[in-house]
Amino acid sequence: ETGVTQSPTHLIKTRGQQVTLRCSSQSGHNTVSWYQQALGQGPQFIFQYYREEENGRGNFPPRFSGLQFPNYSSELNVNALELDDSALYLCASSFSIGLGEQYFGPGTRLTVT
Amino acid sequence: QKEVEQNSGPLSVPEGAIASLNCTYSDRGSQSFFWYRQYSGKSPELIMSIYSNGDKEDGRFTAQLNKASQYVSLLIRDSQPSDSATYLCAVREGAQKLVFGQGTRLTINP
Repeated sequence: ETGVTQSPTHLIKTRGQQVTLRCSSQSGHNTVSWYQQALGQGPQFIFQYYREEENGRGNFPPRFSGLQFPNYSSELNVNALELDDSALYLCASSFSIGLGEQYFGPGTRLTVT
Repeated sequence: QKEVEQNSGPLSVPEGAIASLNCTYSDRGSQSFFWYRQYSGKSPELIMSIYSNGDKEDGRFTAQLNKASQYVSLLIRDSQPSDSATYLCAVREGAQKLVFGQGTRLTINP
């Protein structure tokens, strides 16, 4: 069974730029959730994708957007990067919406300078 | 936004002792609760889930849930230095998201 994978591992961007983060869900899982974790804090929910549709969104501005593909992999896009976007971005997959546990990938560490 | 509260610690426990981690939540309707372990610089790793009142044991770990008191805890028996990490309590809100506490930093002293 293949676990959740994310790429890249680390990324450094400049304020105002755009970034795309990628996630492959665990085998057999069709739901992907994205979280942002600032240093010293718990993860904060960004949004969730199920069957290629956004299925719930946290308190994040529209410049945070995403996609899910037919193979259930997902992308997180952030436009007009701000310094406060520096964080660990986590992708979690689950068997289906509202069911079972969420399993996290290794994360992408984004630094905005 | 529903809230999940944890003592940020650090909590220091001698090796071999029982570590007790606590979490309270604000949404009385919550049904699903999770404990994640996060080593420094790594992503959260699921160690326990609990859905019913009472205790759930898995090896050295026991999760305890009391919905009436809106309280969930994690006990780690025979604590080892490798248990030193931040422990995150999470509560599922609706069908989509997990709401996390800020985590409790646990240090096991040899």
